[in-house]
Amino acid sequence: QVQLAQSGAEVKKPGASVRVSCKASGYMFVSYYIHWVRQGPGQGLEWMGVINPSGGSTDLAQSFRGRVTMISDTSTGTVYMDLSGLTFEDTAVYFCARGGQWIQSPVDYWGQGTLVTVSS
Amino acid sequence: EIVLTQSPGTLSLSPGERATLSCRASQNIHSNYLAWYQQKPGQAPRLLIYGVSTRATGIPDRFSGGGSGTDFTFIISRLEPEDSAVYYCEQYGQSPNTFGQGTKLEIK
Repeated sequence: QVQLAQSGAEVKKPGASVRVSCKASGYMFVSYYIHWVRQGPGQGLEWMGVINPSGGSTDLAQSFRGRVTMISDTSTGTVYMDLSGLTFEDTAVYFCARGGQWIQSPVDYWGQGTLVTVSS
Repeated sequence: EIVLTQSPGTLSLSPGERATLSCRASQNIHSNYLAWYQQKPGQAPRLLIYGVSTRATGIPDRFSGGGSGTDFTFIISRLEPEDSAVYYCEQYGQSPNTFGQGTKLEIK
């Protein structure tokens, strides 16, 4: 069965960087896009960007360009999301989610979410 | 960027009733690439509807979607207590993907 297993919760100081991992299993990793979506406390869903695991090309929301890097490791079936220059407003649950075999697809499977807390 | 506006913000209904949720886009949604998700507290969202009206795998026919252009509707007929959740629409036809702000559905 399709599973996306994310890394554990993180606590970071302002200005630091964080890496969240998302290990995929149960399907052909390179054939499906992976999206990242975050949700602040009591807030709605915010799309951050998407990566094509085959080749590593990305499309990032404007507000995250320059601060977010997405990396695909096909040897382990893992996608990484790096977020730098953390501020208190980056405190959120970060989800990875599987898209389709083309970029314009909904997401059908989600990771469990990773809580990133930015605190001084 | 396409802005999605959902209404109402909160909906309170009884079991067996029908819920109608709205999602309005700031511009036409490309190729009807609109989806609906359900999110319960402490959980990841779950895909319910994609392509405006296609139910995802395992989603019962109590859930339906419709609309076109800029106006879309999501309906839950015959509400059950477990339908209590926040529902989000998402457009995935034009980058950046965007979500509505959500409608909270409370079952009395």
